[in-house]
Amino acid sequence: ETGVTQSPTHLIKTRGQQVTLRCSSQSGHNTVSWYQQALGQGPQFIFQYYREEENGRGNFPPRFSGLQFPNYSSELNVNALELDDSALYLCASSGDAAGLNYEQYFGPGTRLTVT
Amino acid sequence: AQSVTQPDIHITVSEGASLELRCNYSYGATPYLFWYVQSPGQGLQLLLKYFSGDTLVQGIKGFEAEFKRSQSSFNLRKPSVHWSDAAEYFCAVGARAAGNKLTFGGGTRVLVKP
Repeated sequence: ETGVTQSPTHLIKTRGQQVTLRCSSQSGHNTVSWYQQALGQGPQFIFQYYREEENGRGNFPPRFSGLQFPNYSSELNVNALELDDSALYLCASSGDAAGLNYEQYFGPGTRLTVT
Repeated sequence: AQSVTQPDIHITVSEGASLELRCNYSYGATPYLFWYVQSPGQGLQLLLKYFSGDTLVQGIKGFEAEFKRSQSSFNLRKPSVHWSDAAEYFCAVGARAAGNKLTFGGGTRVLVKP
């Protein structure tokens, strides 16, 4: 158990809709990263938040956005869903992004299916 | 830019036999290297990590990995595989200069024969 939780576990949405995925980080961790894992592939970095500010972004369009809150929770929002957005979405929390404790702890993921 | 290659998509090994999973990375400076395991429908569990120091690192579940800078490799090994080791394994590279994001390889699926 990593202490990182995600909700919901599974979600089915229709193309064009919007979705919000939630993550609760390990207590004391002020950095959260989100990853997209398509079926049969390795996770791909979406973005990272450090102390409630975006701190790096991968090759994902602006319709992928996020929020981080002071209570160690965070959200991933995806607008205008496309079929290719179907994937497992993983969040990972870690200690201070600028510090030495770099290990990332992953949650169990949210499986998003877009029909 | 960072990149990770896991050349073997699938590996089948008999229970009790040894296992080696290959990982090659590309990064200009000293990388942080990780191996994660993922069981079906689950998140990622960290097996071991390399930040600096001793190039042979020990992890959980009897796994070890060796960092070879000259070969840009970080191969994972286990002397004797158990049926519960059947899963997908991911190698990842991170770097503070890259905003601490992790770049993952495509994964290696391990099947264990009885």
